[in-house]
This record gives sequence, structure tokens and C-alpha cells, in this order.
Amino acid sequence: DSGVTQTPKHLITATGQRVTLRCSPRSGDLSVYWYQQSLDQGLQFLIQYYNGEERAKGNILERFSAQQFPDLHSELNLSSLELGDSALYFCASSVAGYNSPLHFGNGTRLTVT
Amino acid sequence: AQKITQTQPGMFVQEKEAVTLDCTYDTSDQSYGLFWYKQPSSGEMIFLIYQGSYDEQNATEGRYSLNFQKARKSANLVISASQLGDSAMYFCAMREHGNQFYFGTGTSLTVIP
Repeated sequence: DSGVTQTPKHLITATGQRVTLRCSPRSGDLSVYWYQQSLDQGLQFLIQYYNGEERAKGNILERFSAQQFPDLHSELNLSSLELGDSALYFCASSVAGYNSPLHFGNGTRLTVT
Repeated sequence: AQKITQTQPGMFVQEKEAVTLDCTYDTSDQSYGLFWYKQPSSGEMIFLIYQGSYDEQNATEGRYSLNFQKARKSANLVISASQLGDSAMYFCAMREHGNQFYFGTGTSLTVIP
């Protein structure tokens, strides 16, 4: 158990809809990262937050947004969903420092129909 | 240039044999960390092993070892005595001093009974 909690595990929704994915980081971790993994693809970095502030942005679409709250949990909002947004979305958390690993949640599997 | 390169999309190994998964990296930082993750078919991302740029000894964690060759910028994962449960996708990653993580495209390992 990595200590990172993601909800929900599975989400099925229709095109054009909006969903919110939730993440609680490991206790003590200030950084939260979001990744997208499409079928048989690698990990695409979306966005990173550190202690409530956006720290780095990757290939995140304008239809997607995220935030990290004062209690350090984070939410990823996906809107105007398209079929191509179907993927496994991971949240991961870490402490600062180049020698600290990312600890991943179990992911949210999003299916857009 | 790619920060992390994994040149083996797929690998096969006989059960109980050892296997090496290749990873090369590109950085101009002096301080960085190298990580390997395992992603079984169930989807979760499992942290396996870490090597720091200043570590002179190769990291080991049970049947996993990291063959770190700094001058060649390579960080190969060696799995000894392969087991059927080792069949999975394996990702190499690097974290630089600026705290961004970079992932390779992964190697799919299949252990043959």
C-alpha cells in the first residue's frame, strides 16, 4: 500500500460530461503529481502541485484543471470529455528532494462512451 | 533529447533466469535520482528500487539490482531468478534537482514457464 488514495477506482461517463478525480497524498507528502496513461501507452505528466501551489505543468489540456487544497488533497477536473480522454489517471505524491520516489495511487480508470 | 530512453519495448525471459532491462538517461545535473517502477496488468505502479547520483555502490532490493554506470549514463535493472509474477511493464524514471520526474516509455517483460 503506497499510502496514496485515489477515488473513484472506475468511472464511466458520456462524451461532453465533466468528472472530478480525487487524490489524498501520503501523510507528510506536500507534492502531488497527476499523470495520464492511455491504453498501452506510457505515462503522460499532466500537472504538479506543491503545498497548494501549481509547480509544473505538462501536457494538460485546457479542458482539464486541477487544484490542491489546504489539507493537501488534490482534485483533477476533466470537462467536455471526449472518447480520447479514456485512460488510467494516476495521482502520485512525494516529498521534496531528488532522492525521493513518487508514490502512486492505484489510479482512476476513466471510460468515456 | 529524451531524458529517459528505454530501447526494449518487449523482453522475454525463462523462469528462474536473470534478465536485464536497459535504461539510459540524459541530464546535466550533478544531483539526481534514478528509479524503477513495475506496472503489472492490474495497473498499479509499484516502486522497486532507487539509485542516487552520488551512490558509489549499485542499489539492491531483494531480487532487483540496479546496474549504475554513471559515465555511460545508464541505469539498467537486473531481475535475478525471474518468477511468473515478474511479468509486467517496467518503467525507468529520473528525478532531477528541480524535482521534476521523467519517465521512459517502458519495457514489457514476459516470464516464460
